Amino acid sequence: DTGVSQDPRHKITKRGQNVTFRCDPISEHNRLYWYRQTLGQGPEFLTYFQNEAQLEKSRLLSDRFSAERPKGSFSTLEIQRTEQGDSAMYLCASSLGLADEQFFGPGTRLTVL
Amino acid sequence: DAKTTQPTSMDCAEGRAANLPCNHSTISGNEYVYWYRQIHSQGPQYIIHGLKNNETNEMASLIITEDRKSSTLILPHATLRDTAVYYCIVRVSRTQGGSEKLVFGKGTKLTVNP
Repeated sequence: DTGVSQDPRHKITKRGQNVTFRCDPISEHNRLYWYRQTLGQGPEFLTYFQNEAQLEKSRLLSDRFSAERPKGSFSTLEIQRTEQGDSAMYLCASSLGLADEQFFGPGTRLTVL
Repeated sequence: DAKTTQPTSMDCAEGRAANLPCNHSTISGNEYVYWYRQIHSQGPQYIIHGLKNNETNEMASLIITEDRKSSTLILPHATLRDTAVYYCIVRVSRTQGGSEKLVFGKGTKLTVNP
């Protein structure tokens, strides 16, 4: 399968713990995006990378959130000191060059108890 | 904030055409209309986009009114696998310097019934 992959698919954690998610984009896609989706809502943009550079961050991305894409390939999204309000589906997408289509992964569903 | 208005839900019989409307009365001249859909427990999937001319691909057709204030996504022969939330998004194309991010509204929940 050459689509966008995310790991893990599900994560249950206790409030205050740190969690890290991984996204592997489609090979050769230089743009990578993170979105968050809560129940009944459409996805909300968090941040995006062009190669290894993080070029835009939403105000939704508080200082407890950090994203990296160290070699311009896979990306990680870390949430420190998780709160119940962080419970959501975290979606990763990638795109190539100036193409408008973003390809989404299956998401990581986070539940904070 | 999303610049589009869509009905919350719609139903369609299997094998019939599904026509999903979208209002975007404040659309700018350089903004395109994009459609994505999200099947339950999956990430969104790109369907089609257009500027002012009608567009068709293997998945759907997009009809944009002459004044560009509304559009309709048409699934010509809906199947049970087309049951999903359909999102209409307006944005400037990246080839014209548009934003990288997609701004999703709540979309239309389409249920295809057997």
